[in-house]
Amino acid sequence: TQLLEQSPQFLSIQEGENLTVYCNSSSVFSSLQWYRQEPGEGPVLLVTVVTGGEVKKLKRLTFQFGDARKDSSLHITAAQPGDTGLYLCAGPLEYGNKLVFGAGTILRVKS
Amino acid sequence: KAGVTQTPRYLIKTRGQQVTLSCSPISGHRSVSWYQQTPGQGLQFLFEYFSETQRNKGNFPGRFSGRQFSNSRSEMNVSTLELGDSALYLCASSLGDLKNIQYFGAGTRLSVL
Repeated sequence: TQLLEQSPQFLSIQEGENLTVYCNSSSVFSSLQWYRQEPGEGPVLLVTVVTGGEVKKLKRLTFQFGDARKDSSLHITAAQPGDTGLYLCAGPLEYGNKLVFGAGTILRVKS
Repeated sequence: KAGVTQTPRYLIKTRGQQVTLSCSPISGHRSVSWYQQTPGQGLQFLFEYFSETQRNKGNFPGRFSGRQFSNSRSEMNVSTLELGDSALYLCASSLGDLKNIQYFGAGTRLSVL
């Protein structure tokens, strides 16, 4: 069982559509991070959310941290083919840089 | 500012061999973490080194080991390779502070035949 459950596992949408990816846990996290990974590359950090209820916007991407700091969501408005990739949520487990990752959401945006 | 550099990018080994992977962190970063990524298990934490000391360890067998040098560069070693060790091995560097912002390298793709 994953400590961080991501859904959906796979999304295939048309350019211009909106989508939401969810990251849920039964555990409380001090922060959650979202990464995007493209084939053959390492994950690239998109955002870190720290405060319960926090909302952060990065152009067409909106990230939200749940009030109880157990869940997070990523919403993309008007998706573009360049948004295609693997989206990962991650949270720190203990002191130091031990991150636990969700299984990821594969997003494919068709033009 | 140069990013995280991992070498080599690709490796092919046979069962029973050993392998050493290298990671050069971002200048000024003192923490290096290693992760294994496979289609079945996703990204899993191997270990973290901070100032040449292992600070955290994941649930991997003792065949997986690492070290960090005084210049913060890190190496990861896998001995007695098994087919299941085939994976993308990712290195991430950070300042090592509580903000925990990690920057990943492009990874080393290891194939064990």
